[in-house]
Amino acid sequence: DGGITQSPKYLFRKEGQNVTLSCEQNLNHDAMYWYRQDPGQGLRLIYYSQIVNDFQKGDIAEGYSVSREKKESFPLTVTSAQKNPTAFYLCASKPPNTDTQYFGPGTRLTVL
Amino acid sequence: QKEVEQDPGPLSVPEGAIVSLNCTYSNSAFQYFMWYRQYSRKGPELLMYTYSSGNKEDGRFTAQVDKSSKYISLFIRDSQPSDSATYLCAMSGTGAGSYQLTFGKGTKLSVIP
Repeated sequence: DGGITQSPKYLFRKEGQNVTLSCEQNLNHDAMYWYRQDPGQGLRLIYYSQIVNDFQKGDIAEGYSVSREKKESFPLTVTSAQKNPTAFYLCASKPPNTDTQYFGPGTRLTVL
Repeated sequence: QKEVEQDPGPLSVPEGAIVSLNCTYSNSAFQYFMWYRQYSRKGPELLMYTYSSGNKEDGRFTAQVDKSSKYISLFIRDSQPSDSATYLCAMSGTGAGSYQLTFGKGTKLSVIP
């Protein structure tokens, strides 16, 4: 089945620890995105990548880092510099020649 | 003024009712409009995608765009309890190849049996 997978579904970490969220897609999409969703805040763009080995900061990139070494994979690292990391994180990808984005199931990160 | 405004609700309706969900926007460059449905603790799924002004129908769902008023709507006919979810509007300006979407904050809908 084609789609976007995110793992893990739930993640718990202690304050001060870095954590990496996985996002994989087998849709052959070039563009991939990371969003953060908080209650009442809507979706906020963290980073996006239009092509392998290239990525751009979104609206709230501080405290996050990404890599794009393979077309299929776009992992997000939440670093200890992120002041309030507890949130629902969504990965998305976009086919060419359209504006629509397709989302993964999300990872809920809780920092204890 | 925010680029996209969407009433967060919550909106509660009885089963079988017609539901109207709306977004207003300020950027006249927006031409492509989407509606996503998001169940609790899940990722958003694309429901409707429309270009410029006009209507688009898909089963019980109708998307309507009025660019002159900068207003988009999603109508759900014969609403079902399974329609209970948060509905997000999204839009972009340049069409094919545009890399960013602007989202509304979502409206939470409950359909009561």
